[in-house]
Amino acid sequence: EVQLVESGGGLVQPGGSLRLSCAASGFSFSSYSMNWVRQAPGKGLEWVSYISTTGSAIYYADSVKGRFTISRDNAKNSLYLQMNSLRDEDTAVYYCAREVYPGNYFDSWGQGTLVTVSS
Amino acid sequence: SYELTQPPSVSVSPGQTASITCSGDKLGDRYVCWYQQKPGQSPVLVIYQDNKRPSGIPERFSGSNSGNTATLTISGTQAMDEADYYCQAWDNTTPVFGGGTKLTVL
Repeated sequence: EVQLVESGGGLVQPGGSLRLSCAASGFSFSSYSMNWVRQAPGKGLEWVSYISTTGSAIYYADSVKGRFTISRDNAKNSLYLQMNSLRDEDTAVYYCAREVYPGNYFDSWGQGTLVTVSS
Repeated sequence: SYELTQPPSVSVSPGQTASITCSGDKLGDRYVCWYQQKPGQSPVLVIYQDNKRPSGIPERFSGSNSGNTATLTISGTQAMDEADYYCQAWDNTTPVFGGGTKLTVL
């Protein structure tokens, strides 16, 4: 069974940093590209970042470019999101999602971890 | 940037057919997928590549995509189908989500 388990969320002050993790199991993690998608309270889904299987290709949403860094450790079956210079508008539930190719759709999602940016 | 537009809400009576639209410029030239999200839960893929159903998704869920509009159709809608639904397509290397549609079964 595919499992994605996020962790690392919490309350942080504006300007602070946080590192999210996503532990993958039940599939060959190194064979899949991965993404972070977030959802602000009461709002819709917003894509945040993408990383290819080897980490050679990385993309970010304009809203987080220069502040967030995605990475992965295939040996540890883990995905990460380093978030710096956090803003109020970064408050959201952050999901990691497995991307299937071809078709480029997200077939598995974690349960999400809540990040709250507030003073 | 590419935008996908969904109606904020759709209502349907139990047993009837619900249609949720997703509009975007030349959307028919792109693959569309749909996600269902119930309150407090993570999104679940219900349609991919316009009209394919993942294993475990009931046959009452179907999809189509042509011109500027993609449509998620739920036939014989059940109370358990009440949820938010999001369409998604790609703009080059960036996935784009629609704003979401709240489906109410009443």
